[in-house]
Amino acid sequence: DTGVSQDPRHKITKRGQNVTFRCDPISEHNRLYWYRQTLGQGPEFLTYFQNEAQLEKSRLLSDRFSAERPKGSFSTLEIQRTEQGDSAMYLCASSLAGGPQTQYFGPGTRLLVL
Amino acid sequence: ELKVEQNPLFLSMQEGKNYTIYCNYSTTSDRLYWYRQDPGKSLESLFVLLSNGAVKQEGRLMASLDTKARLSTLHITAAVHDLSATYFCAVDNAGNMLTFGGGTRLMVKP
Repeated sequence: DTGVSQDPRHKITKRGQNVTFRCDPISEHNRLYWYRQTLGQGPEFLTYFQNEAQLEKSRLLSDRFSAERPKGSFSTLEIQRTEQGDSAMYLCASSLAGGPQTQYFGPGTRLLVL
Repeated sequence: ELKVEQNPLFLSMQEGKNYTIYCNYSTTSDRLYWYRQDPGKSLESLFVLLSNGAVKQEGRLMASLDTKARLSTLHITAAVHDLSATYFCAVDNAGNMLTFGGGTRLMVKP
């Protein structure tokens, strides 16, 4: 399977703990995106990378959130001092660069903060 | 701020019937995407619409874009149970950052 992969698929944590999620994009895609989806809503954009450069960050991405893509391949999204409001599905997508491109989504990481 | 609204939010229909889902957006864009999401699963790309008047069809689904009216439609012809899912439209007006609508949950009953 050469699609977008995410790990872990599910994460349960206690409030105040830190969590880190990983995304591996489709291999030839140099753009990588993070979205958050809460139950019954559409995904909301968080941030995106072109190669290793983080080009945009949503105001939804508070200072407790940090994303990296150190070698322009996989990416990590870390949430520090988790809050119950962080409970959501975190989706990663990737695309080619240059003009409008379809974003291909991974299976997501479902986070539950107790 | 770009806003994307879909209606209806929920649609229950009989197999064999036709229906249309509407997607309105608030600012100028000529890049609109339709995705499908099955329960507990990720999003699957259905259509990419990149110009005024664009029409794409795949099986029983047909999508169109009217950039002047800031409106896209997803038309379902002779619905079957396998089409039951949530359908999202998404607009790109800022260079690859998608703004999604709230989704239309479609249930097709035998």
